[in-house]
Amino acid sequence: DGGITQSPKYLFRKEGQNVTLSCEQNLNHDAMYWYRQDPGQGLRLIYYSQIVNDFQKGDIAEGYSVSREKKESFPLTVTSAQKNPTAFYLCASSGGQSPSTDTQYFGPGTRLTVL
Amino acid sequence: AQKVTQAQTEISVVEKEDVTLDCVYETRDTTYYLFWYKQPPSGELVFLIRRNSFDEQNEISGRYSWNFQKSTSSFNFTITASQVVDSAVYFCALSENSGYALNFGKGTSLLVTP
Repeated sequence: DGGITQSPKYLFRKEGQNVTLSCEQNLNHDAMYWYRQDPGQGLRLIYYSQIVNDFQKGDIAEGYSVSREKKESFPLTVTSAQKNPTAFYLCASSGGQSPSTDTQYFGPGTRLTVL
Repeated sequence: AQKVTQAQTEISVVEKEDVTLDCVYETRDTTYYLFWYKQPPSGELVFLIRRNSFDEQNEISGRYSWNFQKSTSSFNFTITASQVVDSAVYFCALSENSGYALNFGKGTSLLVTP
């Protein structure tokens, strides 16, 4: 089945630790995205990548880092510099290279809790 | 400034009632796209519809219908004969040709009770 997988589903982190969230897609999509969702809020864009080895900051990139070494993978690292990392993180992908016009499809999400 | 406003935070209906979820957007672009997504309790966002700014035809898909009106900058979503499985948070989103991201509203939580 084609789709987007995210792991782990739940993640607990101690303050001061870096953690990496996994996102893999087998849809052969060019573009991938990371969003953050806080309770009662819409989604906010952290980073996006339109092509391998290239990525751009979104609206709330501070305290996060990404890499795009393979077309199907777009891991997100939440660093200790992120002051309030507890949130639900959603990965998405789209077929073309245009974040502004293509339909984005989402993975099941990772819920990160800082202890 | 919020580009997408979903004024209804929570709606509760009884099964088989019709319900309309409101979405008002703001943009200066002439080319833009509007989306609706469903987020069930499991958390994954499920794509429902994409509409471009040049197509104001209303769309119907089974029990779902969408009403796009550029004159009022609205893209409302109606569920006919609601079912318990429709219970979810529904998000309206806007993407602008001049932008780089989806702009999401804050969502409307729909609860359908038997």
